[in-house]
Amino acid sequence: ETVMTQSPATLSVSPGERATLSCRASQSVSSNLAWYQQKPGQAPRLLIYGASTRATGIPARFSGSGSGTEFALTISSLQSEDSAVYYCQQYHNWPPRWTFGQGTKVEIK
Amino acid sequence: EVQLVQSGAEVKKPGESLKISCKGSGYSFTDYWIGWVRQMPGKGLEWMGIVYPDDSDIRYSPPFQGQVTISADKSLSTVYLHWSSLKASDTAIYFCGRRAAGPAKTHWAFDLWGRGTLVTVSS
Repeated sequence: ETVMTQSPATLSVSPGERATLSCRASQSVSSNLAWYQQKPGQAPRLLIYGASTRATGIPARFSGSGSGTEFALTISSLQSEDSAVYYCQQYHNWPPRWTFGQGTKVEIK
Repeated sequence: EVQLVQSGAEVKKPGESLKISCKGSGYSFTDYWIGWVRQMPGKGLEWMGIVYPDDSDIRYSPPFQGQVTISADKSLSTVYLHWSSLKASDTAIYFCGRRAAGPAKTHWAFDLWGRGTLVTVSS
């Protein structure tokens, strides 16, 4: 099983500042990685797929980077509505053995 | 509107059976894999398994193999998640999600989600 490790567990950032979230895979997942945003009481929402492609309707302040085992999600100028938990997910294997990271909670200072 | 609509919250006793559903609409249902994801109280997301409704090809995550049954009825545009004997540890929110289509694996994220079904198992 490919283990996904996210850091930090919690990130506290002031509005307008940059937030960088990390995700590490225990083995290479190439670019088969997605980032999701989940707000309390809501379903996850796809932000990034293919490690760096923004999903439809996602603001340009969200960007993804990386390949292989090291990935990052950057929120360039944090807005109050970006307060949420962010998960990375690898979907590299077929037959699927897809796994999520444990999540990073982004708080607004 | 393109959406996945999940069945409502359930409260069950240990040992009871349960089937929850996820109905797709607004798109060609048989063209997309649909997966199930568990979220235990206050915890993260866990991928459980996935089904291709057109031919009911089903793949399970190893921890969930034998614990749940995934099925699909393409005539109803609906996929299901079934427990034959619930445990208290099955208490969670269960989300269904649509795997994006396309030949390129890099696209295969979950691009559409249901709102979740809360399952509470308590004596």
